[in-house]
Order: sequence, then structure tokens, then C-alpha cells
Amino acid sequence: QKEVEQDPGPLSVPEGAIVSLNCTYSNSAFQYFMWYRQYSRKGPELLMYTYSSGNKEDGRFTAQVDKSSKYISLFIRDSQPSDSATYLCAQTGANNLFFGTGTRLTVIP
Amino acid sequence: DTGVSQNPRHKITKRGQNVTFRCDPISEHNRLYWYRQTLGQGPEFLTYFQNEAQLEKSRLLSDRFSAERPKGSFSTLEIQRTEQGDSAMYLCASSPRGDGIEKLFFGSGTQLSVL
Repeated sequence: QKEVEQDPGPLSVPEGAIVSLNCTYSNSAFQYFMWYRQYSRKGPELLMYTYSSGNKEDGRFTAQVDKSSKYISLFIRDSQPSDSATYLCAQTGANNLFFGTGTRLTVIP
Repeated sequence: DTGVSQNPRHKITKRGQNVTFRCDPISEHNRLYWYRQTLGQGPEFLTYFQNEAQLEKSRLLSDRFSAERPKGSFSTLEIQRTEQGDSAMYLCASSPRGDGIEKLFFGSGTQLSVL
């Protein structure tokens, strides 16, 4: 079993829609969770990170961690065509990050 | 601060050849990481440096792979006797002194194609 599991999609939504991206994790020992955005032929870009459980909001983006179900979520409000990218969830290990496979999102104008 | 820089951006090589990639981290970032990403997958950890010391290596890093970070600045990743299975995007990342791995900044990667 991989440390972090993520539905690869792809996911297509109309502009302005609310997007929900989800991951599950297996190891409760490490408590930092990250969301990265990756455009084609580029490296991942850190969007936001949360520690332990709860919500964190940054503009149109909200990250949520539910420790009881080992669930990580990213919500994007008022989605824009520029949000079209692959979104990667990640969890810290001792000295590295464990990534999900990434969900490819397309926002249709 | 121009971000993490990786060279070359693309490398095409024949099976059995050696290749070397370079990474220049963000200035004064003391931690440097190498990851590998194949199509449709998330990045996988290869190795980690704190300053010039290589502190951890993944089991993915076979004997054909070697990484160095002389003087704790730039880093190189060499693959000897390349195989077709080595074809992937090789990503370098760095994090600031005092911050944890939750703040990793990635470069744009080196795309390796082994023919």
C-alpha cells in the first residue's frame, strides 16, 4: 500500500465551479500535509500546507485534513481556466515527502 | 532569488551511456533533495542533503546513481550505464534553513529519455 493514495482523475469542470480534490494516507505518525500544483513540463509548486487536522484557507483555496478518516482534501472555489493543472497531495516522512499520483484538473471556460 | 535551477532541461541519451544533471538551489537553502517523476505518477524521493552531507538515500537509488553536493551549494546527480527504465523527470528541490520539509521549492526538472 502506498503511503498516500490519490484519484488520478482526470477531472473536468466548468469555469466558476467548486472543485474538490481528495487523498487518503496510511501513516498517522507524520502530521504535515501539503498540496502542490504542477503545470505541464514544470516542477511542482507549493500551494499550501497544513499541520495535523483542521482547515486552512488561502484565497480561493481551502485545505482540509480529517485525521479520524485519514482524509486530505483541497477545495477550489470559483475555479478559473488558469487552475487547469495537476494537483498533488503529499505527506511528510522523516526526511522526505510522500506524494500521491496527482489529479489532472481541467477548467473549461 | 531566481528559484531552483536545473540543467539541462532535456537530455536524450542512448542506453549504456552516463549522464549528469546539475541543480542550483535557492541561495542559502541548506537542504537539497532529488526526486524522480514518471508519467502519471507523483514524485518519488531519491536522496537528501543537508549542506554537503548526504543524509538519506532511497532504495530507488541503485548503485548506478550517485549524487554529490560539494561545498554545500550546487548538486549533481549522475546515472551510469543508463537503462530505458531510467527515463523520467528528475526534480531537484530545496528548503530554507530553519524550515522543515513542508516548505520545499522545486525546480522545473530535467527530462531524461533513454533510447
